[in-house]
Amino acid sequence: AQSVTQLGSHVSVSEGALVLLRCNYSSSVPPYLFWYVQYPNQGLQLLLKYTTGATLVKGINGFEAEFKKSETSFHLTKPSAHMSDAAEYFCAVSARGNQGGKLIFGQGTELSVKP
Amino acid sequence: KAGVTQTPRYLIKTRGQQVTLSCSPISGHRSVSWYQQTPGQGLQFLFEYFSETQRNKGNFPGRFSGRQFSNSRSEMNVSTLELGDSALYLCASSPGPGQEQYFGPGTRLTVT
Repeated sequence: AQSVTQLGSHVSVSEGALVLLRCNYSSSVPPYLFWYVQYPNQGLQLLLKYTTGATLVKGINGFEAEFKKSETSFHLTKPSAHMSDAAEYFCAVSARGNQGGKLIFGQGTELSVKP
Repeated sequence: KAGVTQTPRYLIKTRGQQVTLSCSPISGHRSVSWYQQTPGQGLQFLFEYFSETQRNKGNFPGRFSGRQFSNSRSEMNVSTLELGDSALYLCASSPGPGQEQYFGPGTRLTVT
């Protein structure tokens, strides 16, 4: 069965500092991988995805993530945090093929950005 | 293109009642998935529909059901509501199975 672990339920950074949100997955075969962001009282917005090809994936708002098969990781980074990045971030996986419509989410990481 | 829309946005129901939530996908999207979000359990998959057929189902009791119409719009129904059903219910649409999902704003259900 697939699972996702996000290390750290809460991460706090200063404005302008590096953002690093960690995600590890468990899957018998390489899955599709996603990062979503959720602002208060809103739905989830897709930041980026990895399906095949280049392992470094660039997303919206300056975020990127690298798929490392050997480490079963898909960590999210942003070189310089903005106040507007404060939100909850979710890593998710889905299987390839017939189970592809089912997203398995991590527990989420709340990002705080200090001025 | 308009995004995923969900109605109603907020709902208050009493234990034992039933509720129907509605989701309109992005134009051209044929897959709709539903998720429940609670502080304790996080985001959990409920079910997925494609071309009016349920393709996948999560680990929820039979009180939770759904359907999809020929125009890809979807509804989910929860019967005999329990306090623990209080949650944010999110609908997501995608062009097809296995493709990236785009989420609506959710319906906040409170059961008293």
